[in-house]
Amino acid sequence: NAGVTQTPKFQVLKTGQSMTLQCAQDMNHEYMSWYRQDPGMGLRLIHYSVGAGITDQGEVPNGYNVSRSTTEDFPLRLLSAAPSQTSVYFCASSYFIGQPQHFGDGTRLSIL
Amino acid sequence: DAKTTQPTSMDCAEGRAANLPCNHSTISGNEYVYWYRQIHSQGPQYIIHGLKNNETNEMASLIITEDRKSSTLILPHATLRDTAVYYCIVRVAQGGSEKLVFGKGTKLTVNP
Repeated sequence: NAGVTQTPKFQVLKTGQSMTLQCAQDMNHEYMSWYRQDPGMGLRLIHYSVGAGITDQGEVPNGYNVSRSTTEDFPLRLLSAAPSQTSVYFCASSYFIGQPQHFGDGTRLSIL
Repeated sequence: DAKTTQPTSMDCAEGRAANLPCNHSTISGNEYVYWYRQIHSQGPQYIIHGLKNNETNEMASLIITEDRKSSTLILPHATLRDTAVYYCIVRVAQGGSEKLVFGKGTKLTVNP
């Protein structure tokens, strides 16, 4: 089982560039979410989705967009990267809200 | 949002039980307590969750006080591979949706 797959694993961007962090799961989970992790901050929720076509904001959504056109995929877009978005990004999924979440291995993003 | 308070760090001897406390004094009656851990730079891993009864699975036991204001995660026989950051999370119900809010966690070091 692949579980939750995140690509790329590492990325370096210049300020102002855009990019998409990919997240895919093969467990037919309805609920998917994106977190960022910064030193000393724990994990903070960026955006989440309770099913295809439905997304909502978490606690730190500014600077990020998401869409959920299929059950399997939940990409995270940075439209204009800023140094403050340097972080480790984790994608997670679960059958439904409140069920134990499965996490990917993360994308380590540096913005210069 | 229901908040959790955990010690910043703890140490445990290999082979002994590790008891990780968590305070969640503002928890509501229908909110679950979840525990995850994060080993080094990997994605968080689900351990256990509960509402008001004690729970046990192959990884750990969860003891929730009768007033539900605190809980303890017990790793019965800690190994070096259990060295990780452990997160106690109260599942937050908000506007018909729910999400997990991660705090800073407890860094558990298992010593040989």
